[in-house]
Amino acid sequence: AQSVTQPDIHITVSEGASLELRCNYSYGATPYLFWYVQSPGQGLQLLLKYFSGDTLVQGIKGFEAEFKRSQSSFNLRKPSVHWSDAAEYFCAVVWAGSYQLTFGKGTKLSVIP
Amino acid sequence: NAGVTQTPKFQVLKTGQSMTLQCAQDMNHNSMYWYRQDPGMGLRLIYYSASEGTTDKGEVPNGYNVSRLNKREFSLRLESAAPSQTSVYFCASSDRTGGPYGYTFGSGTRLTVV
Repeated sequence: AQSVTQPDIHITVSEGASLELRCNYSYGATPYLFWYVQSPGQGLQLLLKYFSGDTLVQGIKGFEAEFKRSQSSFNLRKPSVHWSDAAEYFCAVVWAGSYQLTFGKGTKLSVIP
Repeated sequence: NAGVTQTPKFQVLKTGQSMTLQCAQDMNHNSMYWYRQDPGMGLRLIYYSASEGTTDKGEVPNGYNVSRLNKREFSLRLESAAPSQTSVYFCASSDRTGGPYGYTFGSGTRLTVV
C-alpha cells in the first residue's frame, strides 16, 4: 500500500532557530504533495502544495518545501521559527488518478521561548 | 463563506447508539470524503464519494455507512457506536480527484462514545 512517513513524532526547537520537518512517500505514480498545520483543537490549515513545476514551493507563514523526486521526499522548512508555529504538522500525498489523500502520522512541533 | 460545513461540532454518544454526521459543501465539488483523526495516527480515510451517486471504502470503513444525498451533501452514519469510534471526524471535498485540484476540509466533529 502506498504510504507517507514522517519520521519525527515530536521536535522541539528554540524560537528563532531554523526548522526542517521530514516527509517521505512511497514510490508510485505522479505524486501531488501537501503540508497542513493543525493547532490544538482546530481544523487543518493548508500551508503549501506541490503539483508540478519548480520543486521549491513557498507557502504561508514563511514556510517552504522542496520536492526531491529522487529521494521521494517533500521536506518542510522555515528559516526562523516563531512561538506561534507550535502545532502539529501533517504531510499528505495523493497519487495521480487516485482520490485518496494519504496522510503521514504527523510531527508535533514545540517551540522554546 | 464558501467551504465545507460539518454538523454537529461536538457529540457524546452511549455505546450502541446511532447517529449521523452531516457534511455539506457549496463549491460545486464532485468528490467528497470522510476522515477520522486519532492521536498519533494522522488522518485516515473512512469512505469517499468520487461523484454523485457513487461511494467507495477507504482505509478504515468498518462500523460506518455513508450516503451521498446529492452533489452538496455527504453523510456518515454510525449504526451502533463503539468506544473505538471516539475520534475527530473531518469531511473534505475536491473537484474530481484531489490532485492537482486540492482539498477543502471542514472544521471537524469531535465524537466521544462512552
